[in-house]
Amino acid sequence: DADVTQTPRNRITKTGKRIMLECSQTKGHDRMYWYRQDPGLGLRLIYYSFDVKDINKGEISDGYSVSRQAQAKFSLSLESAIPNQTALYFCATSDRTGYDYGYTFGSGTRLTVV
Amino acid sequence: AQSVTQPDIHITVSEGASLELRCNYSYGATPYLFWYVQSPGQGLQLLLKYFSGDTLVQGIKGFEAEFKRSQSSFNLRKPSVHWSDAAEYFCAVGARGGNKLTFGTGTQLKVEL
Repeated sequence: DADVTQTPRNRITKTGKRIMLECSQTKGHDRMYWYRQDPGLGLRLIYYSFDVKDINKGEISDGYSVSRQAQAKFSLSLESAIPNQTALYFCATSDRTGYDYGYTFGSGTRLTVV
Repeated sequence: AQSVTQPDIHITVSEGASLELRCNYSYGATPYLFWYVQSPGQGLQLLLKYFSGDTLVQGIKGFEAEFKRSQSSFNLRKPSVHWSDAAEYFCAVGARGGNKLTFGTGTQLKVEL
């Protein structure tokens, strides 16, 4: 099994719908992150969490919300999806120090909003 | 604030040729630096990282990178490229004592047989 699992792998949804992307990890890491990837823009940070009670906005949090249900689970929600949220979404984890071993990434969720 | 620039969007090399991917960063002190690779349909995999010490760091898959403080660069190199190296490569920077990485926009590598 993968260390960081994202579900679903692909999703097509309609404008205005609420959608949740899920991430679970078996690394035992405290820190979890949500990034989105757009062609030509690289990866941009949406939200990050250092533990269950510590959630922080990243550089592009508008239109998104998150929930850290447990140390191992970190979900990203789009309350009312819009077409410019079409992107590849990645969940990542890191240990307490943040950098010693870099991030571990999931395989991504490709979201299309029509 | 920290930032990363990868000036080359696309690079094409012949199999067996040498490779250098450029990365320039902006940060007020010595940062943590990383290179990640993303194969099609996959997540990002860590190739190598620089924290301190020897400025030439070795990574997986035969890659290496050199930290040059005077040029604010952390270029990725490989002496002989294999067709399986075709992928997108991301440079990332993190602040010491910070809490998140900032990624560049990526360089797409194509390998011609």
